[in-house]
Amino acid sequence: ILNVEQSPQSLHVQEGDSTNFTCSFPSSNFYALHWYRWETAKSPEALFVMTLNGDEKKKGRISATLNTKEGYSYLYIKGSQPEDSATYLCAFSPRGSTLGRLYFGRGTQLTVWP
Amino acid sequence: DAGVIQSPRHEVTEMGQEVTLRCKPISGHDYLFWYRQTMMRGLELLIYFNNNVPIDDSGMPEDRFSAKMPNASFSTLKIQPSEPRDSAVYFCASSLEWPANYGYTFGSGTRLTVV
Repeated sequence: ILNVEQSPQSLHVQEGDSTNFTCSFPSSNFYALHWYRWETAKSPEALFVMTLNGDEKKKGRISATLNTKEGYSYLYIKGSQPEDSATYLCAFSPRGSTLGRLYFGRGTQLTVWP
Repeated sequence: DAGVIQSPRHEVTEMGQEVTLRCKPISGHDYLFWYRQTMMRGLELLIYFNNNVPIDDSGMPEDRFSAKMPNASFSTLKIQPSEPRDSAVYFCASSLEWPANYGYTFGSGTRLTVV
């Protein structure tokens, strides 16, 4: 079983605040790191897929960075809005026989207050 | 494309009954995954298929759980007999080619309650 840790577990911010959270994963045997956004009563939606050390992805106000050598990824949200409220999941894919499989963290639950 | 389609959306059943959950993946996606989400364990992989062949079923809790994928457009997850501890949201997801490169598309989930 591979350990994917996310912190913090939950976060409450005011509208307009910028925020970031962390995903830690095993640095050896890395293949890919994914971020998903999961709104209440809906299903997770893919945000980013990152495979290269130093990768940086951006979608609107949301961006993510990747450090495969030390085994972490950051997700940043600039100027949070209430509609950003969701659980943000990261998932790690190792190289090897389980290629194709993702190991999910428990997520960071973000609440943005108007 | 209508996305990954799961049915039913909600299922309430009595302990001991058989439950069948259904999933239609996105056409052309080679991988299909069954996940279970609980408060205690988060999202846990039960089983996944590649080109209709089961690849990894190590997450299937016990013999009461079985999954099939008779063709590229349909998969079932069966629980027989069901127990209250099986209550959870079950998600099906599909992916094009190498899911590590493309990410998953999840269905809306089936909320199962066993009483």
